[in-house]
Amino acid sequence: SAVISQKPSRDICQRGTSLTIQCQVDSQVTMMFWYRQQPGQSLTLIATANQGSEATYESGFVIDKFPISRPNLTFSTLTVSNMSPEDSSIYLCSVMASTGRNTGELFFGEGSRLTVL
Amino acid sequence: QKEVEQNSGPLSVPEGAIASLNCTYSDRGSQSFFWYRQYSGKSPELIMSIYSNGDKEDGRFTAQLNKASQYVSLLIRDSQPSDSATYLCAVNMGDYKLSFGAGTTVTVRA
Repeated sequence: SAVISQKPSRDICQRGTSLTIQCQVDSQVTMMFWYRQQPGQSLTLIATANQGSEATYESGFVIDKFPISRPNLTFSTLTVSNMSPEDSSIYLCSVMASTGRNTGELFFGEGSRLTVL
Repeated sequence: QKEVEQNSGPLSVPEGAIASLNCTYSDRGSQSFFWYRQYSGKSPELIMSIYSNGDKEDGRFTAQLNKASQYVSLLIRDSQPSDSATYLCAVNMGDYKLSFGAGTTVTVRA
């Protein structure tokens, strides 16, 4: 499986500010996703990060709030904009296993734990 | 209706016992199913994937899939304290996107 590095691993942010999370993969991957895990909750897909084009957002998530970049097949960023305490969460970068069948196995980075005061 | 539902926890089992986790899903067309283990404060880790009806065994873990009943389960045999974690059921909903259940927290009592 790919090695996925995220940074920052955690941060404490002030209301109204923005923070960018970086995700670096040690190999080229086709499919890359950003998930959110709120305290005590399961994972919710924010968007699919598309290389060279705009991300595809899930219902309830918009580009203005969560702009995503994916300049190449090994790197992506997620920005959480104009943060409020409700954005306190763990944000996870994930990539799909590179198998011939594209079976959908996902692997996750270590996560970025954001606390908004 | 939630897309993926798991049996409510927490589940407490004695060491050496079998832990049984259940999951149902709503999309009859789903073809890929996964179990993830998440330790507290850590990211999810894939432990099992299953694509065909029947059982799939990997060490102490057995995944069972019944597409007709839209049901997938995970059995943990000879449970160990190190198995104490939250187990997430995930289903491929198409376009390689996974939908996750709420998770079942398992505690193995020594």
